[in-house]
Amino acid sequence: KQEVTQIPAALSVPEGENLVLNCSFTDSAIYNLQWFRQDPGKGLTSLLLIQSSQREQTSGRLNASLDKSSGRSTLYIAASQPGDSATYLCAVGILSNFGNEKLTFGTGTRLTIIP
Amino acid sequence: DGGITQSPKYLFRKEGQNVTLSCEQNLNHDAMYWYRQDPGQGLRLIYYSQIVNDFQKGDIAEGYSVSREKKESFPLTVTSAQKNPTAFYLCASSIRDRGNSPLHFGNGTRLTVT
Repeated sequence: KQEVTQIPAALSVPEGENLVLNCSFTDSAIYNLQWFRQDPGKGLTSLLLIQSSQREQTSGRLNASLDKSSGRSTLYIAASQPGDSATYLCAVGILSNFGNEKLTFGTGTRLTIIP
Repeated sequence: DGGITQSPKYLFRKEGQNVTLSCEQNLNHDAMYWYRQDPGQGLRLIYYSQIVNDFQKGDIAEGYSVSREKKESFPLTVTSAQKNPTAFYLCASSIRDRGNSPLHFGNGTRLTVT
């Protein structure tokens, strides 16, 4: 059974700093990995999706990497801003026995950027 | 603008009552999903549907029911058989056989049962 862990559960950093969020998973036979952002009381917004054949994806100040062999992904946020404050979740996708994709979510890291 | 609309945002019910949560999308997506989010736990899949008039149980389907009569709509009924219904419910959609396309989420419904 795939398990996804995100440590730490919460993180506070001063504005302007670069930071890294971590995601680890137990089964390396993944189909893809996604990073989402969730604001309080809201739904999830997809940030980056890395296919299993890829090593990283970039969007603006965000860069996500994937190392399947070690079961790890990182989300790098450059030059953090107060608007980056949110909970960040990773989700690992595998193909089920029926050929459809099944996602396993981590519990998230709650990020606070201090002005 | 295309998106997913969940209503209502907050819902309160007495124990023993069934309640239906609405999810509508105008993204022309074939696949729709219902997830439940509880504090300290990852999102858990309740039901999903890859096409109209077809749906499959997820990991925690007991006490829930769904229908998919229209492509745009995927309502979730929380029945009195659900032991711990109080939670944040999220609806999502994607293209069918989405491969490596991301999920799109609604803004959720927070259900409180007392």
